[in-house]
Amino acid sequence: NAGVTQTPKFQVLKTGQSMTLQCAQDMNHEYMSWYRQDPGMGLRLIHYSVGAGITDQGEVPNGYNVSRSTTEDFPLRLLSAAPSQTSVYFCASSPDRGRGSQPQHFGDGTRLSIL
Amino acid sequence: AQKVTQAQTEISVVEKEDVTLDCVYETRDTTYYLFWYKQPPSGELVFLIRRNSFDEQNEISGRYSWNFQKSTSSFNFTITASQVVDSAVYFCALSEATQGGSEKLVFGKGTKLTVNP
Repeated sequence: NAGVTQTPKFQVLKTGQSMTLQCAQDMNHEYMSWYRQDPGMGLRLIHYSVGAGITDQGEVPNGYNVSRSTTEDFPLRLLSAAPSQTSVYFCASSPDRGRGSQPQHFGDGTRLSIL
Repeated sequence: AQKVTQAQTEISVVEKEDVTLDCVYETRDTTYYLFWYKQPPSGELVFLIRRNSFDEQNEISGRYSWNFQKSTSSFNFTITASQVVDSAVYFCALSEATQGGSEKLVFGKGTKLTVNP
């Protein structure tokens, strides 16, 4: 049981490049989400999904796209990377979309640097 | 808007001291959930506790205890007899309902705890 798996763990991009951060979970969780963590800012929600085919925006969605074609996978796409997107990205999942079942399972994070 | 305030940016203690991490929240929801997460130097996020707004009983888990007080909108976290391994960044978070019937977490900015030997 791998839990939530994020790839890659580290990545360096040049401004304007595109990239997809991968997130997969093997717990059959309905709810998946992406956060970014910046120094002194805590974690901020980018996008989330309550099930396959359903996504919604979080607090800081600009510059990011997501899709949820399967229950297991929730990739995060940067279409044109900008230095402001340098951050640590966390993917999370939880068992259902109801109240109180918020992410208790986080991936190990992806450290992304945009030059 | 929902808000979580962790006023203590950094705390430094000596091993075996007790330490309390403060968390104050703002919400208009009558039903809500509060969480604490730990982020050790290795970077992963570790879930510590989830508490719903209807349960004001304090909780103890080993050296960890949590004090939830709705009257002051606080959900404080105390570590008794701190150890070096407790050194980490601790995040308090509040659930926020979405229009679609789901919810999302709002995190505080975190408190960095350093326990010195």
